[in-house]
Amino acid sequence: QVQLVESGGGVVQPGGSLRLSCAASGFPFSSYGMHWVRQAPGKGLEWVAFAWYDGTNQYYRDSVKGRFTVSRDNSKNTLSLQMNSLRPEDTAVYYCAKEYTGYGAFDIWGQGTMVTVSS
Amino acid sequence: QSALTQPPSASGSPGQSVTISCTGTSSDVGGHNYVSWYQQHPGKAPKLMISEVSKRPSGVPDRFSGSKSGNTASLTVSGLQAEDEADYYCISYAGSHTVVFGGGTKLTVL
Repeated sequence: QVQLVESGGGVVQPGGSLRLSCAASGFPFSSYGMHWVRQAPGKGLEWVAFAWYDGTNQYYRDSVKGRFTVSRDNSKNTLSLQMNSLRPEDTAVYYCAKEYTGYGAFDIWGQGTMVTVSS
Repeated sequence: QSALTQPPSASGSPGQSVTISCTGTSSDVGGHNYVSWYQQHPGKAPKLMISEVSKRPSGVPDRFSGSKSGNTASLTVSGLQAEDEADYYCISYAGSHTVVFGGGTKLTVL
């Protein structure tokens, strides 16, 4: 079935690094743009990053530019998010999401993976 | 990348209609027809309810409708049902291949 499964979350100290993965199945992964969206505990949704269908271009929210890198391996149907120089304010559930049509329309979401940045 | 403005809460009785607003600027909501709406129940991933201002994906009840006027988009839920109680988020294209979410609205069915 069509699904996205995130992994790689955990507890990390401020300044540390973490790599999230998102495994896709049930749809032609290489045909769709993919996004990362996060949600801090008890807070709203926040868009984080976007990778074009072929991985040639990536875009980020200002607060993670230079620290986060989104990439994809279309041969393995996998999306990744490398997070460096982590800050307490990066603590959140991180979701990967598949583009549906146009900008901001995501029709498939993963279950999310929790990232906690704390000393 | 300032968040779009949504009312923190909204409510209505079963069978009634409720409208949730989402206000941005001419750089986001007002400048593009890429506004979507999501429903999120506690502990669950968001669900796409409306895309491109007013389009309903397959499987979404026609009780949900979207519209836009100027810099403000709106989601209307007609014939409120208990299962509609959830958080609702708008999102808009904000230029340069980026998007921005609203702060979210908690919808209570009285």
